[in-house]
Amino acid sequence: NAGVTQTPKFQVLKTGQSMTLQCAQDMNHEYMSWYRQDPGMGLRLIHYSVGAGITDQGEVPNGYNVSRSTTEDFPLRLLSAAPSQTSVYFCASSPRDRLVKSNQPQHFGDGTRLSIL
Amino acid sequence: AQSVTQLGSHVSVSEGALVLLRCNYSSSVPPYLFWYVQYPNQGLQLLLKYTTGATLVKGINGFEAEFKKSETSFHLTKPSAHMSDAAEYFCAVRSGTASKLTFGTGTRLQVTL
Repeated sequence: NAGVTQTPKFQVLKTGQSMTLQCAQDMNHEYMSWYRQDPGMGLRLIHYSVGAGITDQGEVPNGYNVSRSTTEDFPLRLLSAAPSQTSVYFCASSPRDRLVKSNQPQHFGDGTRLSIL
Repeated sequence: AQSVTQLGSHVSVSEGALVLLRCNYSSSVPPYLFWYVQYPNQGLQLLLKYTTGATLVKGINGFEAEFKKSETSFHLTKPSAHMSDAAEYFCAVRSGTASKLTFGTGTRLQVTL
């Protein structure tokens, strides 16, 4: 069982470069999200998606774009990298709750460690 | 809006001692609460979750947490710490049917001999 797969695991960029962080899940989960983790700040939600073709902004969306063309994939794009985007990025997925009393936990990938010089 | 406060960014206990990691939340609707653990250079793993019903929730690796509505708390405990418990622990809250999680800032647990 692959679960949530993130690639690459490590990346170094120069300021102004662009790149795409990949996230794929094989659990047929409707809900997918991207977080960034910074020391002393926990995980902050960047963007999320409740299904193919639907995306929305989270707490810190500036500088990032997402798309959701398939259920399985949810790539995160940095169009012009900035040093402030140096962070560890986590992708997560879960089934979308349809019942008020349901509580589906999110499954996390192993992260992408991104450094921007 | 929902929020989570974890008291203590670092907690150190001796092996065999009680582990207590504190989490307080705010939510305008009945919350769904989670504890996740993160080992070095890894992603987050679910320890336990609270939905409704029994307020004492048992999770993996001997951890448990008690939901106290009157105190808006969901503290994580383990009776006897093990060296392998050294990790960072995150409390998270989700309100209503929305799938978005709000995380606390994390507590790094150190276990000493």
